[in-house]
Amino acid sequence: AQTVTQSQPEMSVQEAETVTLSCTYDTSENNYYLFWYKQPPSRQMILVIRQEAYKQQNATENRFSVNFQKAAKSFSLKISDSQLGDTAMYFCAFANSGGSNYKLTFGKGTLLTVNP
Amino acid sequence: NAGVTQTPKFQVLKTGQSMTLQCAQDMNHEYMSWYRQDPGMGLRLIHYSVGAGITDQGEVPNGYNVSRSTTEDFPLRLLSAAPSQTSVYFCASSYSILAGGAYEQYFGPGTRLTVT
Repeated sequence: AQTVTQSQPEMSVQEAETVTLSCTYDTSENNYYLFWYKQPPSRQMILVIRQEAYKQQNATENRFSVNFQKAAKSFSLKISDSQLGDTAMYFCAFANSGGSNYKLTFGKGTLLTVNP
Repeated sequence: NAGVTQTPKFQVLKTGQSMTLQCAQDMNHEYMSWYRQDPGMGLRLIHYSVGAGITDQGEVPNGYNVSRSTTEDFPLRLLSAAPSQTSVYFCASSYSILAGGAYEQYFGPGTRLTVT
């Protein structure tokens, strides 16, 4: 079974600065998908960024980028120019490729607070 | 499109009562799932469905039943509520890999359930 570990329960950052959230995972699969989801106080789960394991290039979405290290099974999220609206719980998640993409395995989350 | 909708948003039950959490999606997604979110635990998969008439258990299925009679609806039933089922419940849906799915799961707004 896959496991996802987020070792930072809470983090804080000053507005406009950069912060990196850590995620490691364990799997014996070679093809899989990794995700970062954001959950603001509204409780809605929002997909931030997605990485396909067979792609070596790190995914980027505006101010959000990942550092995907397949050999080390590491998938960190970097938020640049942090904004107050980035305050949220962030979850790292894993899904196998193939027919089981509907089964997400989540980490326990990192609560990020952006301070003015 | 309304996306994924869940009702109710909040519910309080007494131990032993039964209820059904409703979930519907209007995106013609084949895959639908139920997760529960507990503090410090991330989201955990309860049950999932790969299409109408097909369901299977996830990581924490005990105490819950599901059925999928249509593509659009995937209700979650609590037969005899217990305090351990106090949680926030999320329904999610996604396209299948055969339909060229991008592996993104779309989440509903969640139901906060308290069992006293």
